[in-house]
This record gives sequence, structure tokens and C-alpha cells, in this order.
Amino acid sequence: DAEITQSPRHKITETGRQVTLACHQTWNHNNMFWYRQDLGHGLRLIHYSYGVQDTNKGEVSDGYSVSRSNTEDLPLTLESAASSQTSVYFCASSEAGASGSDTQYFGPGTRLTVL
Amino acid sequence: KNEVEQSPQNLTAQEGEFITINCSYSVGISALHWLQQHPGGGIVSLFMLSSGKKKHGRLIATINIQEKHSSLHITASHPRDSAVYICAVGDGNKLVFGAGTILRVKS
Repeated sequence: DAEITQSPRHKITETGRQVTLACHQTWNHNNMFWYRQDLGHGLRLIHYSYGVQDTNKGEVSDGYSVSRSNTEDLPLTLESAASSQTSVYFCASSEAGASGSDTQYFGPGTRLTVL
Repeated sequence: KNEVEQSPQNLTAQEGEFITINCSYSVGISALHWLQQHPGGGIVSLFMLSSGKKKHGRLIATINIQEKHSSLHITASHPRDSAVYICAVGDGNKLVFGAGTILRVKS
């Protein structure tokens, strides 16, 4: 069965370190998204990609970067982790087209703690 | 003002009760989504709709495009329905999410 996975599921790191969160999907979806979820906020879009070599900034992209070298993977990198980036991170994917009209399939999430 | 507003923020119900969760939005949309997030974090899409009504088992979702309002109904609620229910609207090529409604169904 097709799926979307994230690793690690839990991560503790220190302020200033570089951290990369992995996202891998076997749906063969062109669209992939990274969100963060914080108490009191809805899911907020960090970065998204509509295909290989395509990346776009979301509403909370400062301090994060992504790259898309193949269809299956969209790793999220925190260049220099900050305590404000402690959060739960979700990756999602959807079929090509107007993403607002497509069902998004979510990964299980990564809980990141920055000390 | 948030683009997507959900009410109530928290809801406690007795098993068997009929439940309604509301979602209002202020932007033009291509579609509206209802998602469910269980304790432990997994997020699952329940419905995607752009008009009218959809039903899946005990869940019913409706949308009124003119009033920019959607409702999610749960009939004959059960403790396993306890979860966070999230409304999201398609705004161009991205989704904008509400803050979620925390539902607890007591037996």
C-alpha cells in the first residue's frame, strides 16, 4: 500500500544545530508540503513543492529550507535550530493540480524539541 | 481576523448525542476539507467538498458557499469519535487551516 513516512518520529536537539527531517511518500504525488503544528495555532505551511526541483515558501518559512531532487522525498532542514522551532512537524502530499482541491495525505508527524 | 474560524473550540458530549462542529471562512475557496486528528497525532482527511453535502457512515459534512460556512455533523456519537476535528479551505494552491475543535465523547 502507498504511504507517507517521516523520520525521525522524535528528535531532541540543541540551539544552533542543523537538523534535517525526512519525508518519503510512495503515492507518486507531485505535490508535497511541510507544516508545523503548535498549541493554539492551526497547521501552518512552511514550504511546499509541486514537483522535482520546484520549491516554494509558505507563511512560516524563515529558518527552514527544503530541496526536491526526486518525486518521493522532501527533506526539511532547520539551518540553525531555535527554541521557537520546537513543534510537531507534518509532511503531506497530494496529486498534481490545484492543491486546494486535492485531498492531502499526511505523515505521522515528527516531534522536535530544541533545547 | 483568522481566515478560518471554527466553533466550538472544545466540545464534550455524551455517547449517542448528535454533534455539530462549525467552520466559517473569509476567503474565496476552491474546496473545503474536514480532517480528523486522533491523540497520538495522525491526521486523516474525512471530506473534501465544494458544494452541497457529503455523508460517510455517521459523519455528514455540509457547505453553504454563499454564506461561507460549513458544518460537520456526527450522528450517534461514540467515544472513539473523540479527536480533534480540523477545517481547512483551499485558497488558490494551498490549504489554510482552522485551529481545530477538540471533541470528547464520554460513555
